[in-house]
Parts: sequence; C-alpha cells; structure tokens
Amino acid sequence: GIQVEQSPPDLILQEGANSTLRCNFSDSVNNLQWFHQNPWGQLINLFYIPSGTKQNGRLSATTVATERYSLLYISSSQTTDSGVYFCAVDVYAGKSTFGDGTTLTVKP
Amino acid sequence: KAGVTQTPRYLIKTRGQQVTLSCSPISGHRSVSWYQQTPGQGLQFLFEYFSETQRNKGNFPGRFSGRQFSNSRSEMNVSTLELGDSALYLCASSLMAPDGYTFGSGTRLTVV
Repeated sequence: GIQVEQSPPDLILQEGANSTLRCNFSDSVNNLQWFHQNPWGQLINLFYIPSGTKQNGRLSATTVATERYSLLYISSSQTTDSGVYFCAVDVYAGKSTFGDGTTLTVKP
Repeated sequence: KAGVTQTPRYLIKTRGQQVTLSCSPISGHRSVSWYQQTPGQGLQFLFEYFSETQRNKGNFPGRFSGRQFSNSRSEMNVSTLELGDSALYLCASSLMAPDGYTFGSGTRLTVV
C-alpha cells in the first residue's frame, strides 16, 4: 500500500517563529488533507489540497503532486498551534492513509 | 450546520464483551469512514460506507464490523473485545469521497 512519511516527527518553537512541515507519499493520490489534532482528540481539517497552493490566515499549504510531497507552513506561531499535525492521502475514494504526524510544541 | 456526531464519547468495557459505536454524518453527506487511533499503530482505516454499501475495508479482523442506514448514519461493532481494542475511534463524513473529510470528536474505548 501507499506509504506516507511526515517530517520532522517533533518540532519545538518559540512563539512567533515560522515552521515548515513536510509530507512525502509513495504513489499518486486522489486526495491530500492536512489535519490538526487538538488535545481532546478531534481532527480539525486544515486544508484539502491534492495539488497547488492554498492559504488560510497564518497557515498555508503546497502540494506538488508530480513530485509526491506536500508542505504545511505555519507563520508567526502561537501557543494554540501546539498539537499533532497529520497528513492524510487517498488512493481509493473513502480510504485515507495517515502519516505518523508531526508533534508541534510552541513555547511562550 | 451540525458537524459529525459520535456517541458515546467514552466507554469502558470488559474483555469478551461487545460494543456498538454510532456516527451521525453532516446532513447530506453520504460517505462515512471509520478509523482507529492507538499510540502504537497511529491512525488506521477500518472501513468506509457509501449509500449503505461498504466500499472499502482495512486490515482488521472480522470482529470489527459496520453498517450504514438509509439516513447515512453509521454504526460500528466490535465483538469479543480484547485489551488491544482500547483506542480512540474516529468517524469522518464527506459529501462524496474524495472531497475532503470532516471528523467527529471520537469515541474513546477502554477495554479492561
């Protein structure tokens, strides 16, 4: 099956710093999403981005489908950005494969 | 509009028992997927239903089953519970996969 690798596994930042999270995948995909998992376990949809670039406030994402990677940018990080960020891809409709996540800690 | 609703939020069961979890998707969404999250295995796909039909299934034993009703609500059942079934079970719905998934808050199952 498809492999999804996220890097780095852990990231510690000071408030106000910028960061880039990466997601590599091993095969062509129909769908790619970035999620933030909050401390209560809920997965919050950040971006649906099978290709191209999107921005939402301090967050932006770019997927280069031909090279099989996606990047999530977080600018001017805040303590509330802390948590686990997941990349999920679909080869088959309705079935997502998740990476292991990047655990982000933003210190005040 | 209402999001994806999962019930119950927490469950404690004894080994050998069975359990049923419920997921109500966003109104109009016809695809419902289920995932298991554990510290050791991460997020793993269980199965997906679309218009009452199971379209995809993950690599889980037959003790894990599910169904979808005509109103798109879905249930998953785990029979003969094992300690290793302790996990956060997440449900996601979408208007038509793949189109972006919205997840519920999850059901945290503890098997003792």
